[in-house]
Amino acid sequence: DGGITQSPKYLFRKEGQNVTLSCEQNLNHDAMYWYRQDPGQGLRLIYYSQIVNDFQKGDIAEGYSVSREKKESFPLTVTSAQKNPTAFYLCASKPPGETYEQYFGPGTRLTVT
Amino acid sequence: KQEVTQIPAALSVPEGENLVLNCSFTDSAIYNLQWFRQDPGKGLTSLLLIQSSQREQTSGRLNASLDKSSGRSTLYIAASQPGDSATYLCAVINGNTGKLIFGQGTTLQVKP
Repeated sequence: DGGITQSPKYLFRKEGQNVTLSCEQNLNHDAMYWYRQDPGQGLRLIYYSQIVNDFQKGDIAEGYSVSREKKESFPLTVTSAQKNPTAFYLCASKPPGETYEQYFGPGTRLTVT
Repeated sequence: KQEVTQIPAALSVPEGENLVLNCSFTDSAIYNLQWFRQDPGKGLTSLLLIQSSQREQTSGRLNASLDKSSGRSTLYIAASQPGDSATYLCAVINGNTGKLIFGQGTTLQVKP
């Protein structure tokens, strides 16, 4: 089955620890995106990557880092510098061209205490 | 800066009603507009994508319209069912990076 997988579904960490969220896709899409969703709000873009070995900051990149070493994978690290890391994190991918839809993974809910 | 607004934030209707969800955006220079459905604790499911040159798209009981000049889109749901209960999000794509700018969503409850 083609799709986007995110793991784990739920993640718990202590304050001050870095944590990495996984995002894998087998859709052969070039572009991948990370969004954050807080309760009652829409999604906000953290980072995006249009090709391998290249990525750009989104609107709320502070306290996060990413890598794009493979086309299929776009992991997100939430660092201890992120002031409010508890949120629902969603990964998406998109085929080339501006007219195509974005496809979303199931999300990872991160709780930091 | 593009801003996307969805009104109302929440809506409750009896089963069988036709309903309209609204989405407005401040910058009409958009590439596409996409409507999503989100069930509690889940990811997003794409419902309809309207390209900037199109006026509407239809899928089953759903019809989405786009009026760029007025900065508005509507999602029409015909003959609503309890299974339609979810949060509906609209998002616009401003440029060729594919970056989506989301509204806050409308949470719909369809009562049996």
